[in-house]
Amino acid sequence: QKEVEQNSGPLSVPEGAIASLNCTYSDRGSQSFFWYRQYSGKSPELIMSIYSNGDKEDGRFTAQLNKASQYVSLLIRDSQPSDSATYLCAGLLYSNYQLIWGAGTKLIIKP
Amino acid sequence: DAMVIQNPRYQVTQFGKPVTLSCSQTLNHNVMYWYQQKSSQAPKLLFHYYDKDFNNEADTPDNFQSRRPNTSFCFLDIRSPGLGDAAMYLCATSARREETQYFGPGTRLLVL
Repeated sequence: QKEVEQNSGPLSVPEGAIASLNCTYSDRGSQSFFWYRQYSGKSPELIMSIYSNGDKEDGRFTAQLNKASQYVSLLIRDSQPSDSATYLCAGLLYSNYQLIWGAGTKLIIKP
Repeated sequence: DAMVIQNPRYQVTQFGKPVTLSCSQTLNHNVMYWYQQKSSQAPKLLFHYYDKDFNNEADTPDNFQSRRPNTSFCFLDIRSPGLGDAAMYLCATSARREETQYFGPGTRLLVL
């Protein structure tokens, strides 16, 4: 079964520190990966997408993809209390264009 | 601003009373998706339209139906809501199936 796995957390990080969120996937057919942020009671909001091995940076966010290890991560630098949310990792299977979702990691930034 | 709009934002219905949720988009995207999300769970894909082609997920209950009368609009019909159908219903769009999905604000459905 094709899966995307995330630690459900909560992950507690002090304000100003780096938050590291991790995701592993089982299907090597997954080619594109997405990180969404979801505040309680709200809809998912795209943070980053990554398609190639290596790092992709956007402001305080860095996504990392390692296809050999089947591992995707999201780093948040200078964490702010407003970053407190659930972060959903999703992988796209190119065989059928199905988006496989992880269950999400709850992140808490402590002031 | 280009966006995905869902109405209503909150819907209360009675057990067994049909309900329709709507989604519209100004992104001119070809693909529209309906997801169901329950508390602390990942979004679950119900179905999607690629242009006019309807794609139903194998485990989507027959109680759920969808219509896409034109590129901009898509509807989710729940014919006989049960208590287990209470959830957040999310509409998303993408330009093509392999591209990023963008979500509307969601409709919170409560079944009494």
